[in-house]
Amino acid sequence: NAGVTQTPKFQVLKTGQSMTLQCAQDMNHNSMYWYRQDPGMGLRLIYYSASEGTTDKGEVPNGYNVSRLNKREFSLRLESAAPSQTSVYFCASSPSGFFEQYFGPGTRLTVT
Amino acid sequence: AQKITQTQPGMFVQEKEAVTLDCTYDTSDQSYGLFWYKQPSSGEMIFLIYQGSYDEQNATEGRYSLNFQKARKSANLVISASQLGDSAMYFCAMREGSAGANNLFFGTGTRLTVIP
Repeated sequence: NAGVTQTPKFQVLKTGQSMTLQCAQDMNHNSMYWYRQDPGMGLRLIYYSASEGTTDKGEVPNGYNVSRLNKREFSLRLESAAPSQTSVYFCASSPSGFFEQYFGPGTRLTVT
Repeated sequence: AQKITQTQPGMFVQEKEAVTLDCTYDTSDQSYGLFWYKQPSSGEMIFLIYQGSYDEQNATEGRYSLNFQKARKSANLVISASQLGDSAMYFCAMREGSAGANNLFFGTGTRLTVIP
């Protein structure tokens, strides 16, 4: 069981470039999430998907788009990267209801 | 207002001693869940313990226990018999019942250092 996997692990972008962060889970979870973690702060929710076919904005959605490709996969896209998007990005998944979220290993993104 | 407040940026504890990491929360929901996660220097987020708002007993998981005081809106993590491997960042988080997909709100974390 791989759990939650994320690719890539590291990425450096120039301002204005675009990229997609990939996330997949093999736990048959309904819900998936994207968070960002900035230095000295906790994780903040960017977007989430309560179930296949649905996505909703979280606390900090500006500059991002998401796609819930199927039950397993949830991608995060930066259309035009900005230095303010330099962060560590975590994908997570959970069953529906009050269960813990399982996190991927994170992607460290630097935008120069 | 912050939904989760962790007022201790850093804590030190002697190996084999117990330590309490503070967490207070703010919600008007009756139904909610409280979580603690550990983030070692390697960066992954590791789930430690969960407390539901209707649970009458404090949650325990091995050396971790959650001191849940509903009236004070606090959910402190107690680590007993600290080990060197407990050195990490610890995050308190809350999921509110009214949230659509039950997203988590995180505190800013406490960095715990275990001293040999």
